[in-house]
Amino acid sequence: SYDLTQPFSASVALGQTASVTCGGNNIERKNVHWYQQKADQAPVLVIYRDTFRPSGIPERFSGSNSGNTATLIISKAQAGDEADYYCQVWDSSTAVFGGGTRLTVL
Amino acid sequence: QVQLVQSGGEVKQPGSSVKVSCKTSGGTFSTYAINWLRQARGQGLEWMGGIIPILGTINYAQKLQGRVAITADEPTSTAYMELSGLRSDDTAIYYCAADLVGMTAGFNPWGQGTLVTVSS
Repeated sequence: SYDLTQPFSASVALGQTASVTCGGNNIERKNVHWYQQKADQAPVLVIYRDTFRPSGIPERFSGSNSGNTATLIISKAQAGDEADYYCQVWDSSTAVFGGGTRLTVL
Repeated sequence: QVQLVQSGGEVKQPGSSVKVSCKTSGGTFSTYAINWLRQARGQGLEWMGGIIPILGTINYAQKLQGRVAITADEPTSTAYMELSGLRSDDTAIYYCAADLVGMTAGFNPWGQGTLVTVSS
């Protein structure tokens, strides 16, 4: 099975840039999707296919994917960005999620 | 954009079954795959399986094979997930989520979630 590794937690100062990583073997060969989940809410897609933003997602959210690491980047972090973030790929017709990263905005 | 509305919360006895529905509106049912995921309290997201109604294709997570059944009713644009042999560790919020067929565009949107509690 394919494993995705995320740091348990990350923090960013208000107005600064946050990076959330997602590690996987040759992950650059896969399409990586990112989800934001705020407390007591359903997840929301924020980045799909490595770098694309769905309609309604601010330009502050961006993504990259190279080698064994995909990265979600949140620029000009706001208090409302405080949430759990999950990466996801497909492997052999199975959706695989990373364990999630809790982002704290200081 | 399509919207997903799930059925209400359930409390079930160990060993019983639960069936959760996911009704879609505002989009063309045949253009979506409907996936089911769950999240235990304080835990991460787990994919359970998905169905592509227009193709009749169904995939299940290996861990749940034999206990989960996903179906779809095209006339009512509704998908269903039935989980049998319920155990206490099946207590979780269950979500449906749409995925455009052939687009690799991620799960978007998600239903509001359905809390299933397994308790005697």
